[in-house]
Amino acid sequence: AQTVTQSQPEMSVQEAETVTLSCTYDTSESDYYLFWYKQPPSRQMILVIRQEAYKQQNATENRFSVNFQKAAKSFSLKISDSQLGDAAMYFCAYRDTGANSKLTFGKGITLSVRP
Amino acid sequence: DAGITQSPRHKVTETGTPVTLRCHQTENHRYMYWYRQDPGHGLRLIHYSYGVKDTDKGEVSDGYSVSRSKTEDFLLTLESATSSQTSVYFCAISATGGPSQETQYFGPGTRLLVL
Repeated sequence: AQTVTQSQPEMSVQEAETVTLSCTYDTSESDYYLFWYKQPPSRQMILVIRQEAYKQQNATENRFSVNFQKAAKSFSLKISDSQLGDAAMYFCAYRDTGANSKLTFGKGITLSVRP
Repeated sequence: DAGITQSPRHKVTETGTPVTLRCHQTENHRYMYWYRQDPGHGLRLIHYSYGVKDTDKGEVSDGYSVSRSKTEDFLLTLESATSSQTSVYFCAISATGGPSQETQYFGPGTRLLVL
């Protein structure tokens, strides 16, 4: 079974600085999808970014980018120019490419942003 | 934002009573999912549906049942609620075909307290 590990339970960053959230996963598949979701205090789960394993180029969405290292099975999220609104819990998730495949989530990391 | 609503948003119930949570979507997506979120566990899949009347178990399905009689509605039932089912419950949907199939979009969540 696939597993997703987020080993850092909490991180803190100064406003306007850059922070990187780590995620590793375990799979025997060669093609799959990876995601980062953000959960602010409102509890709404918001998709931040997705990465297809067959794409070598790292995904980018405005201030959010990933460092996808397929051989190392590592998928880290970089947040540039951190803002107070970035304070939230962040979840890394994995999904196979099969039609009925499910998402497997890590346990999450709580990010705080210092003004 | 994906058109997903959950009802009720908050519920307090007593041990041994039946509880039904409803997820409603306006996107006509084929796939629907129920997760629970607990501290230290991230999100865990309870049940999912891949079409009307087509459902399957997730990793934490014991004590839960689901039904899907219409594309837009996915019901989660706790036949006899227990305190261990106190949690936040999320519904999610995903489309059929193409890259968007791989991405799940979440409802606002239901906070359930079983006394």
